[in-house]
Amino acid sequence: QVHLVESGGGVVQPGRSLRLSCAASGFTFSTYGMHWVRQAPGKGLEWVALIWYDGNNKYYTDSLKGRFTISRDNSKNTLYLQMNSLRAEDTAVYYCARGTVVTPLDYWGQGTLVTVSS
Amino acid sequence: EIVLTQSPGTLSLSPGDTATLSCRASQSVSSNYLAWYQQKPGQAPRLLIYGASIRATGIPDRFSGSGSGTDFTLTISRLEPEDFAVYYCQQFDSSPRALTFGGGTKVEIK
Repeated sequence: QVHLVESGGGVVQPGRSLRLSCAASGFTFSTYGMHWVRQAPGKGLEWVALIWYDGNNKYYTDSLKGRFTISRDNSKNTLYLQMNSLRAEDTAVYYCARGTVVTPLDYWGQGTLVTVSS
Repeated sequence: EIVLTQSPGTLSLSPGDTATLSCRASQSVSSNYLAWYQQKPGQAPRLLIYGASIRATGIPDRFSGSGSGTDFTLTISRLEPEDFAVYYCQQFDSSPRALTFGGGTKVEIK
């Protein structure tokens, strides 16, 4: 049974950094691409980033390039999102999801809330 | 960048009705890369349809997807109480490599 569990969210001051984690189980993590998707309070879904199964290719939504970094540790079955220079508009629930460039996001975690506020 | 526009923003229907949701792309989208998701309050999205018309595992046959090019449709026949939710379309753009979601359609009880 596929299971994705995000962690690392919380309240952080503007300009600070935060690293989110997504622990995967129930499938061969090292053979799947993974995404981060976020959702601001009361808003729609916004794709953040994608990393290939081996970590060799990474893609980002244009507005976040340079501030956010997606990575993975296949030995630990864990996906990460390093978020730097956080802004109030980064406040959102962050979801990890399994998928690639040619397959849909077929499993999602329950999300972790990041609140950027002074 | 391809923009997905969903309409209507809100659909007010009764159980047993048929819901017809539209997703229009600003330029042609490969049907292979068009998906639909359902999201209920406080929950993560759930994959319903991929490849424009293929139901994901466990999705009832009252959900169907269709369309090609720039116009795609999600149809929910015989609405059940659990179908009242927000629905998003999503596509993958090969150049640049990026995913985009539509703004969502809320299906609410009339």
